[in-house]
Parts: sequence; structure tokens; C-alpha cells
Amino acid sequence: KAGVTQTPRYLIKTRGQQVTLSCSPISGHRSVSWYQQTPGQGLQFLFEYFSETQRNKGNFPGRFSGRQFSNSRSEMNVSTLELGDSALYLCASSLDSSGGSYNEQFFGPGTRLTVL
Amino acid sequence: LAKTTQPISMDSYEGQEVNITCSHNNIATNDYITWYQQFPSQGPRFIIQGYKTKVTNEVASLFIPADRKSSTLSLPRVSLSDTAVYYCLVDSNAGKSTFGDGTTLTVKP
Repeated sequence: KAGVTQTPRYLIKTRGQQVTLSCSPISGHRSVSWYQQTPGQGLQFLFEYFSETQRNKGNFPGRFSGRQFSNSRSEMNVSTLELGDSALYLCASSLDSSGGSYNEQFFGPGTRLTVL
Repeated sequence: LAKTTQPISMDSYEGQEVNITCSHNNIATNDYITWYQQFPSQGPRFIIQGYKTKVTNEVASLFIPADRKSSTLSLPRVSLSDTAVYYCLVDSNAGKSTFGDGTTLTVKP
């Protein structure tokens, strides 16, 4: 069974630009979550999508957005990039994240975004 | 969300057993305790999960006392490749997990 894939793996952008990152979950997984990891802030939850709907959202500005497609693939977008957006962006999928049971998350390798 | 407290770092030697304890005094009834391992520039990887008592799998054991206010991850006979950051999570919703600072385990030869 293929794992979670993320594209691209590395990305360099300049301030003010926008970027779109892609995530393909494990087949059959319906929940996709996004996290930002930086040395200073650690691993922080961005948002979660389930059945094409944003189900949970972390404390990030509106410049960070995402969506999920009918095949559960997800994209996240960051507009008007700032230097502080440089980070490893991780995507994770799970069968379902709620409903009275707990499902482990499977993480992708991440996209390393550098903003210059 | 329950807050977790775990040591920032630990050192060990190859072949030793390592126990990492996590405190979660505000754990809720429907919270699970999950541990993840992360290597540099990789996504976290699930190690083990439990609700109460003891859970064991092929890589680790998880001990949870009756009051569930703490948990201990036990790694038997660690090797150099076990050097990583270990995160203790306490929540009921895998989709929006809260990762703390984690414990950096360094295994020495």
C-alpha cells in the first residue's frame, strides 16, 4: 500500500509570492491534515479536511488555506508569502479522525518551503 | 486539549532499555495516548497508542497507570537508529493532533 505522498519535496519562493502544496493520502483514507514544522514553533496544526470539508482549523492567518478533492487528495495554499513561512509542511492522512474512535495518522515526507 | 509534559532530552547507550515518561494531568475521558517518532526532515511515524493499562507491539510498550495522568513509553534494547524525537500526544481526534516539544533521544555507541 503506497504511503502518503507530497509534492513538491522542495520549493523556493520569494516574499509576496503564493505557493500551492499537494498531498495524496493513503488509499481509503478520508481525513487529511496539514501541519507546519519550524525550529522555533515545533509542529503546529494548520487544518484538517474530511469529505471535501474543512473540519478543524488551527491558529493560522487567512493566508493559509486548503481544500480537498473528491478523491481525498488535498492541496494547501499560502498567499503573500512571508519569511516566517519558511518551514517543513507535513501532510497526514487517517481513516477518520473522530466518531468515537481514534485512528493513527500517517505522515508524508513533507515539503520543505524556503521563502527568500 | 490536554497538555503534555515530557523531558526535553535523554541519552542512552546501545542495548539499554529506555523509558520516556509523559505527564498529562488534564487528560479527558475520551482521550487516547499516542506516541510518535520523528527523524530529521521526515514526518512523524506512529509508534504505539493506548487508552489504559499496558500495550505492547513489536517496537515498544506503553504503560498507563489507572489514573491515566501519565504514561511511559518503553523502548527495549535501543540501537543507534532509535536516535530521534519522540512525541507524546493526548487527544481524541487524530485529525488535529497537538504536538508538544517532544523528547530528543540520543543513543550512543
